[in-house]
Amino acid sequence: DAGVIQSPRHEVTEMGQEVTLRCKPISGHDYLFWYRQTMMRGLELLIYFNNNVPIDDSGMPEDRFSAKMPNASFSTLKIQPSEPRDSAVYFCASSSRTGHYNEQFFGPGTRLTVL
Amino acid sequence: AQRVTQPEKLLSVFKGAPVELKCNYSYSGSPELFWYVQYSRQRLQLLLRHISRESIKGFTADLNKGETSFHLKKPFAQEEDSAMYYCALSALSTDKLIFGTGTRLQVFP
Repeated sequence: DAGVIQSPRHEVTEMGQEVTLRCKPISGHDYLFWYRQTMMRGLELLIYFNNNVPIDDSGMPEDRFSAKMPNASFSTLKIQPSEPRDSAVYFCASSSRTGHYNEQFFGPGTRLTVL
Repeated sequence: AQRVTQPEKLLSVFKGAPVELKCNYSYSGSPELFWYVQYSRQRLQLLLRHISRESIKGFTADLNKGETSFHLKKPFAQEEDSAMYYCALSALSTDKLIFGTGTRLQVFP
């Protein structure tokens, strides 16, 4: 298994543009998490899904952010419109209750720069 | 409210010196605590869990409920230990992790 896959790895866009980040979890994992990493705030949980259903989106900063999980093997995080303060590294992680409890497996991250 | 505090953003030591990365948490119930590590150009990965009471790569961490701490320790640091370390908390009633802001460990030769 290639692990959690994220694309793109780097994204540079201009303020006001729409940004879509993609994630493919590890096959068989039923939890998927989206995090944002910044120097000031560290790792913040944005939203997580269980069996494709959003469970907790209290970390989503604003209505500009939305996330979907149309099936067990794909999720997207969309920012529309993007702003410079959204610049960060966005991580996706997946886990399974049948495995190590709460051991989350992280993707390589997407480094987003909004100019 | 659930919170994890890592007071040091950067910890620098020389090879062979003892290391202690501090982590304090705030949670009213019985939490599960973790340490995750991110080496340069690698993914964030689990280092150890408190319930396992294990030593990984020479690191140990003891949960002190009285002091609400879960400090990560290693008696003799190695250069390859240089990385970003995150302490994380999970409430038993949820599936999510609350991470601290992280501590960057630099081990000089």
